[in-house]
Amino acid sequence: DGGITQSPKYLFRKEGQNVTLSCEQNLNHDAMYWYRQDPGQGLRLIYYSQIVNDFQKGDIAEGYSVSREKKESFPLTVTSAQKNPTAFYLCASSRTGTNQPQHFGDGTRLSIL
Amino acid sequence: AQSVTQPDIHITVSEGASLELRCNYSYGATPYLFWYVQSPGQGLQLLLKYFSGDTLVQGIKGFEAEFKRSQSSFNLRKPSVHWSDAAEYFCAVPNDYKLSFGAGTTVTVRA
Repeated sequence: DGGITQSPKYLFRKEGQNVTLSCEQNLNHDAMYWYRQDPGQGLRLIYYSQIVNDFQKGDIAEGYSVSREKKESFPLTVTSAQKNPTAFYLCASSRTGTNQPQHFGDGTRLSIL
Repeated sequence: AQSVTQPDIHITVSEGASLELRCNYSYGATPYLFWYVQSPGQGLQLLLKYFSGDTLVQGIKGFEAEFKRSQSSFNLRKPSVHWSDAAEYFCAVPNDYKLSFGAGTTVTVRA
């Protein structure tokens, strides 16, 4: 079945450490997205990519970095510069173009040790 | 930029009762609109989408939504709620190549 796989499901970060969240899709979608979800704040866009080797900052990109070397993969790195990284992170993908619905993975919960 | 507002943070409904979740949009022209559901610890699942045409849209899991231009609303409804419908529900609208989400409505189902 086609879908989006996020790993790991749970991740713990030590102070000063960078961690990378994996997102892989086999839906043949060109566009991919990363969201952060905090209680009571809905979803906030971190980064998005419309095509391989290109990506744009979303609303809360500070302290995060991404790469898009393959169509299927869009990893997110939470750097030590992100001072409040504890959240639920969701990856999504869609067909390229405006007005497309997005399909979501099951998320990664990141916590601080 | 287009946006959506979900006025209700939390709704409690009895199993078997009807459910209506509110979503208001701000946009002059006819928008594209989506409803998503999120079960605890899971990702978001698309329930239904409105692009144009019929104002009453049928979705999965027995949900429907009605687009009302005069009220700038796209409310989600279900005639009879099941315990498995306890979840968080998000309304969303496209903004260029992105989606803007409402803050979400948490639905609790009591026996």
